[in-house]
Amino acid sequence: DADVTQTPRNRITKTGKRIMLECSQTKGHDRMYWYRQDPGLGLRLIYYSFDVKDINKGEISDGYSVSRQAQAKFSLSLESAIPNQTALYFCATEGAQTDTQYFGPGTRLTVL
Amino acid sequence: QQQVKQSPQSLIVQKGGISIINCAYENTAFDYFPWYQQFPGKGPALLIAIRPDVSEKKEGRFTISFNKSAKQFSLHIMDSQPGDSATYFCAGPVTGTASKLTFGTGTRLQVTL
Repeated sequence: DADVTQTPRNRITKTGKRIMLECSQTKGHDRMYWYRQDPGLGLRLIYYSFDVKDINKGEISDGYSVSRQAQAKFSLSLESAIPNQTALYFCATEGAQTDTQYFGPGTRLTVL
Repeated sequence: QQQVKQSPQSLIVQKGGISIINCAYENTAFDYFPWYQQFPGKGPALLIAIRPDVSEKKEGRFTISFNKSAKQFSLHIMDSQPGDSATYFCAGPVTGTASKLTFGTGTRLQVTL
């Protein structure tokens, strides 16, 4: 869905490198989320933000940081990438008046 | 700790058959139970959701059945079609609000001809 975009879509990097994944949305939603998806583990919440000044850790935030640059932009950084951060990463948004989360197309990250 | 336990991990159903995926939850404060559908190469998308004030919700071929006493909810796909082949995730709100979901581990459904 073009309303939520993620860049890059694929990234291969090396251990120790700093990586930034970006998410932009045109839905006007205040709430944004970052998840990672691993086979057999489902979707796990990394960080979430309910507005520009609000940042919260999810269940697996270690090794990650985020920045909410504007209502429409929420970036995820891996400060020093390690191989077990190889996964599919999804950004999602949600409006304050709805219970539905809208996911981006995902970023496939490989850390060698 | 998995607050929402989903089964089976994978499922193969013949075209026209019924697909059933189950989820069990632990937190009795949960008040919203969505199912998300994910096609290969795409992000998950909301398929159907239920609140615990009803025991069943139907949208087309998709039905959620909810059993509050057993703390279980399930997705039934009637007349399953090859286009239903996808991964399905159940979810529940972490703190009793719908804004922070915890997801099940997913069920990969394959509908064969």
